[in-house]
Amino acid sequence: KNQVEQSPQSLIILEGKNCTLQCNYTVSPFSNLRWYKQDTGRGPVSLTIMTFSENTKSNGRYTATLDADTKQSSLHITASQLSDSASYICVVSGINDYKLSFGAGTTVTVRA
Amino acid sequence: DVKVTQSSRYLVKRTGEKVFLECVQDMDHENMFWYRQDPGLGLRLIYFSYDVKMKEKGDIPEGYSVSREKKERFSLILESASTNQTSMYLCASSSSFLDGNYSPLHFGNGTRLTVT
Repeated sequence: KNQVEQSPQSLIILEGKNCTLQCNYTVSPFSNLRWYKQDTGRGPVSLTIMTFSENTKSNGRYTATLDADTKQSSLHITASQLSDSASYICVVSGINDYKLSFGAGTTVTVRA
Repeated sequence: DVKVTQSSRYLVKRTGEKVFLECVQDMDHENMFWYRQDPGLGLRLIYFSYDVKMKEKGDIPEGYSVSREKKERFSLILESASTNQTSMYLCASSSSFLDGNYSPLHFGNGTRLTVT
């Protein structure tokens, strides 16, 4: 069973609107949580990394939150642009930082 | 910027062939990884290496082997390709965890392998 579950599986939003992606995990003990963006035909690119002591981190229009008590994270995209169309992957690390648990991703489509 | 280069974007091979996937990184990273990515599944770790000539099995190593003779190069080998190895293969690198800073993975753009 996957230790990282993402929702929704996909979503469509209009350009300029906001959206929020969810990530629930069961990895324990927990070390850090990462969000990656993967454009079609490209490798994933890191957006944020948060440790258990951080509850929010921003990267431009992307804001990630973390609640280590409930084992939940969210990625909020503000004022979406066409270039935000991509798959967003939540990745959780346990104590062994070499072995990461990947969510299946949320595919975001931004329409004009 | 870190660059991770995978030698082929697309490959088509026949069942039973030996297949080599090459990956090179230019940032002197200690750690290198091979993942496969299939629709509806998260990335799954095949093998990783934290130093030259060192390798560790990931979650799905069966049917694969790796080679790391030089720090910048990490090769994935399919000893006898099978149709269930048709997938997207992603190579990644990272520097070691130092001074409380977690290093992100830097990915190549992937090799889409089809085994017929």
